[in-house]
Amino acid sequence: EAGVAQSPRYKIIEKRQSVAFWCNPISGHATLYWYQQILGQGPKLLIQFQNNGVVDDSQLPKDRFSAERLKGVDSTLKIQPAKLEDSAVYLCASSLNPNQPQHFGDGTRLSIL
Amino acid sequence: GENVEQHPSTLSVQEGDSAVIKCTYSDSASNYFPWYKQELGKGPQLIIDIRSNVGEKKDQRIAVTLNKTAKHFSLHITETQPEDSAVYFCAAKKGNTPLVFGKGTRLSVIA
Repeated sequence: EAGVAQSPRYKIIEKRQSVAFWCNPISGHATLYWYQQILGQGPKLLIQFQNNGVVDDSQLPKDRFSAERLKGVDSTLKIQPAKLEDSAVYLCASSLNPNQPQHFGDGTRLSIL
Repeated sequence: GENVEQHPSTLSVQEGDSAVIKCTYSDSASNYFPWYKQELGKGPQLIIDIRSNVGEKKDQRIAVTLNKTAKHFSLHITETQPEDSAVYFCAAKKGNTPLVFGKGTRLSVIA
């Protein structure tokens, strides 16, 4: 079974620019998560989708971050405008449903100059 | 909300020895406790998980124990090998609430 696919693997931008990340979950997984992992820390949930609906976005900085999962499969996460403190690895995970184990992709490493 | 503390932050063991990583959680209603292994440049990989109705679970060289009364759970790796070197994360959640992760333990297995 193919795992969670993410692209790009790396991205370098200047502060105040915009950036977008893409995630394709494991086939059949209804629940999709975006996490932010700052160096030396554990992943922190940004947003959780169930199919194409948002379940939890309480920790998403909505003034600059947005995410969508229009057809209930692929998802994109956008940052606009980026700040220096957004430098992190952005991980996507998926699960069959919210009560099943989460499986992670390899992430996008974002560097803000 | 839930808070997960993980110790130690770094751990070095000789190849063949055992390694133990401990986590404590704050919310007594938490009922799911996974452990993830993260290698450099990779995403976290689920290696074992336990639910609150079980006290111990084993998978080959890896075991997890849960003490609900004390609100702590531990990862045990026996007969460690160099390929076990990685960062290990514990996490906890209850029901449909988000997974809350510990800060990680960097395990080094010295050949």
